Amino acid sequence: DTEVTQTPKHLVMGMTNKKSLKCEQHMGHRAMYWYKQKAKKPPELMFVYSYEKLSINESVPSRFSPECPNSSLLNLHLHALQPEDSALYLCASSQDKSVPAYEQYFGPGTRLTVT
Amino acid sequence: AQKITQTQPGMFVQEKEAVTLDCTYDTSDPSYGLFWYKQPSSGEMIFLIYQGSYDQQNATEGRYSLNFQKARKSANLVISASQLGDSAMYFCAMIVMIYNQGGKLIFGQGTELSVKP
Repeated sequence: DTEVTQTPKHLVMGMTNKKSLKCEQHMGHRAMYWYKQKAKKPPELMFVYSYEKLSINESVPSRFSPECPNSSLLNLHLHALQPEDSALYLCASSQDKSVPAYEQYFGPGTRLTVT
Repeated sequence: AQKITQTQPGMFVQEKEAVTLDCTYDTSDPSYGLFWYKQPSSGEMIFLIYQGSYDQQNATEGRYSLNFQKARKSANLVISASQLGDSAMYFCAMIVMIYNQGGKLIFGQGTELSVKP
C-alpha cells in the first residue's frame, strides 16, 4: 500500500483562525515532508521530519508549526495566516531521508484558501 | 549550485504517439537520484520513474522510460503511446544530499503536457 492520506481536502480559513492539516502514512516510512505549492509552480519544501524529529526547516514563518506525534502522523498547525499563504499543501513520505534512491510518495494535498 | 531545468513550459502530442519531455540538471555531487512525477489537475503528485547516478542502464517503467545521458547531465522522460489520461503537469526532480540534514528533493519548473485525441 503506497498511500499517503491528507485531511481535509479543502480548507477555507480567516486570518485570525487556528487550524491544522493532517497527514498519515502506514508504509513504515521514517521520513515525512511538508511542501507548499502555488498554481503552475513546482512544490517548495517547507519541513522534513526524520524518525519523528525535525530535520529541515526551510526558513518557514512561525505561523506554520509542524508536529510529528508518531512515525505515521504529521500535522501542520496554522495560525494567523496571510492571504498569500493560500496554496496546495502537500505531504510526502519516504523510507529514509538520507538515501538518494528512495522516492517520495505524495498525498493528494490540502487546498488552503485564506480569506 | 544544484539545479533542475525544464525548458518546455507546455507541449502537445497526438494520442498514441510518443513524446519526450526534457530535463537537465546541475550538481557536483557524484551520488544523486533523478525522479519524474506526474501531477494531474486533481493535485496529487504521482511518482513515475527513478534513475540513480550510478545506474548503468536507463530506467523503464511500463510506457515510461528515462533517457539518461550523464555526460550531458540530462534525464529526459519518454512516454510511449500517449493516452488522453497522460494530460498533466510533469516535474523532473533531483535528490540533493545536505550534510547532516539528509536528502532534499528539488524540482524543475514543470512541463504541461496536453494529449490531443
